[in-house]
Amino acid sequence: DAGVTQSPTHLIKTRGQHVTLRCSPISGHKSVSWYQQVLGQGPQFIFQYYEKEERGRGNFPDRFSARQFPNYSSELNVNALLLGDSALYLCASSYPGGTRELFFGEGSRLTVL
Amino acid sequence: QQQVKQSPQSLIVQKGGISIINCAYENTAFDYFPWYQQFPGKGPALLIAIRPDVSEKKEGRFTISFNKSAKQFSLHIMDSQPGDSATYFCAARYGGGADGLTFGKGTHLIIQP
Repeated sequence: DAGVTQSPTHLIKTRGQHVTLRCSPISGHKSVSWYQQVLGQGPQFIFQYYEKEERGRGNFPDRFSARQFPNYSSELNVNALLLGDSALYLCASSYPGGTRELFFGEGSRLTVL
Repeated sequence: QQQVKQSPQSLIVQKGGISIINCAYENTAFDYFPWYQQFPGKGPALLIAIRPDVSEKKEGRFTISFNKSAKQFSLHIMDSQPGDSATYFCAARYGGGADGLTFGKGTHLIIQP
């Protein structure tokens, strides 16, 4: 079975630009979460979506937005990029119920110049 | 405000030794405490997790010890192997519907052969 897939794997943007990152969850998983991992730090929670509705939001500015589609895939959008947005963006999916264990993808490495 | 504090930042252990990583949390509303392992260029992978109604959980060479009154939990890796060399993150999640995890800053573990 395919795990969580993310695209693109690497990208370079300049300050002020916009970026869209994509995530496909594991088949059967209905919840998708996004995390930002700055080099040398632990992941930080950005959003969680379940059944196309936002279920949780971390402490990130309104420049960050996300959505979930009917097939449970998800997009993370970041507007007006800053140098500090350079990070590994991780998507995780989970199956509702039980421990709701998170399965992470390998991430999208964003560099803002 | 760092809600999950992890130590040490880095750790070197001889092959066959015991690796111990500690975490402390502040919010008693947390009800799920996982440990993740991350290799370079990969997303975090769940290693083992515990709930606060259990004081210890063991899976193979990995054990979580949980002290609810002290608000501390630790990961023990027995018979540490070079393949265990990775970055380890503790995390915590609030009870309720949202899946957002709060991660520690990570421990870079090196197992010397």
